Amino acid sequence: NFMLTQPHSVSESPGKTVTISCTRSSGSIASNYVQWYQQRPGSSPTTVIYEDNQRPSGVPDRFSGSIDSSSNSASLTISGLKTEDEADYYCQSYDSINRGVFGGGTKLTVL
Amino acid sequence: EVQLVQPGAEVKKPGESLKISCKGSGYNFNGHWIGWVRQMPGKGLEWMGIIYPGDSDTRYSPSFQGQVSISADKSINTAYLHWGSLKASDSGMYYCARVSGYSYGRLGGFDYWGQGTLVTVSS
Repeated sequence: NFMLTQPHSVSESPGKTVTISCTRSSGSIASNYVQWYQQRPGSSPTTVIYEDNQRPSGVPDRFSGSIDSSSNSASLTISGLKTEDEADYYCQSYDSINRGVFGGGTKLTVL
Repeated sequence: EVQLVQPGAEVKKPGESLKISCKGSGYNFNGHWIGWVRQMPGKGLEWMGIIYPGDSDTRYSPSFQGQVSISADKSINTAYLHWGSLKASDSGMYYCARVSGYSYGRLGGFDYWGQGTLVTVSS
């Protein structure tokens, strides 16, 4: 099966913009939707981006998602960083028969 | 309001069997895939498998195929994750989550999550 590779950690200052990448090892990144989940310590994950670039209601427009076929990767961009954005972020997608895979997760520190 | 309700914790001994539940409400249970996700202590999320309660079609991650079984009882809007013989290494948090559905022929991701069941396997 394929893998999704994320940076282990990223950090940025409040008010700045950060981008987290998610690179697919095999198969096209565009062939299946990519989702992004946020998980704060001690809590269940929540969805911040679904279907590559869609935001669920209630998620601020500071969160955006995109895919880049040339690098076979997806990205989550968070602008106007707030301390409350500090969390673990996971990308997720599927293979051709809808078996899912999560990326390893990225710890975002807002300092 | 969509809700997925799981028991908070289960404590078992190695070799015992276990079936944990996930009861859905507030939506058409038969019409959405529902899945299970493992999180070991201090580690990341692992996609285990999904089931479509309407026809019990099931997909497993290769990592979990043969290790667990996923089932659903659509008469009581409940999905299950079952182990036949637990190992200490099965200890962890297990989340159920609903899949949003298909869009333009492609499956979406998880849109609602349960609170998780903490499974502890210890002698």
